[in-house]
Amino acid sequence: DAKTTQPNSMESNEEEPVHLPCNHSTISGTDYIHWYRQLPSQGPEYVIHGLTSNVNNRMASLAIAEDRKSSTLILHRATLRDAAVYYCITAGAGSYQLTFGKGTKLSVIP
Amino acid sequence: DAGITQSPRHKVTETGTPVTLRCHQTENHRYMYWYRQDPGHGLRLIHYSYGVKDTDKGEVSDGYSVSRSKTEDFLLTLESATSSQTSVYFCAIRSLDRGGTEAFFGQGTRLTVV
Repeated sequence: DAKTTQPNSMESNEEEPVHLPCNHSTISGTDYIHWYRQLPSQGPEYVIHGLTSNVNNRMASLAIAEDRKSSTLILHRATLRDAAVYYCITAGAGSYQLTFGKGTKLSVIP
Repeated sequence: DAGITQSPRHKVTETGTPVTLRCHQTENHRYMYWYRQDPGHGLRLIHYSYGVKDTDKGEVSDGYSVSRSKTEDFLLTLESATSSQTSVYFCAIRSLDRGGTEAFFGQGTRLTVV
């Protein structure tokens, strides 16, 4: 699985969109891009994943660069409940584990 | 929410005593994992299971053993607890061991070894 690089921390104002970047320049053609988040004192929570095309679900959108070397998690309207550590992970075929880095700590300002 | 239950949620134990943590799932997922999370290290895989009685080691398996006698239960045992095993332990499940399959995590067990 490819190594990912994320900013250590980001801030957003409440009710504004948030764009969380992730670089994965060594990603292989069959690796999926996953995003998880971890709220304080809770286990990681699945957010979204994709392979090549942009993806949307009820929680967020995932924008994947055309060369797949980077991606962006988009929270359309940040709320205080979105304050968490966000992890970007790549996972390939037969990847028995998901390797978590240190993620991006998102702070949401009221 | 995925049906994963970890027990106990909190435990304090003395150095040298055995400890068993339990992960129970109601999703009938094949793959189960134990991670530990420590400040500065993120989540690290201890052991995982790809079926009943089928387990393998992760990156930090020393001092830990696991067992899976039923699909729904994955047990993590510290044979002789040490202070370095003070941590938060998370169980996770996946239906398939493929890149396009998401994982679901339990709420964690906070273990303190004194």
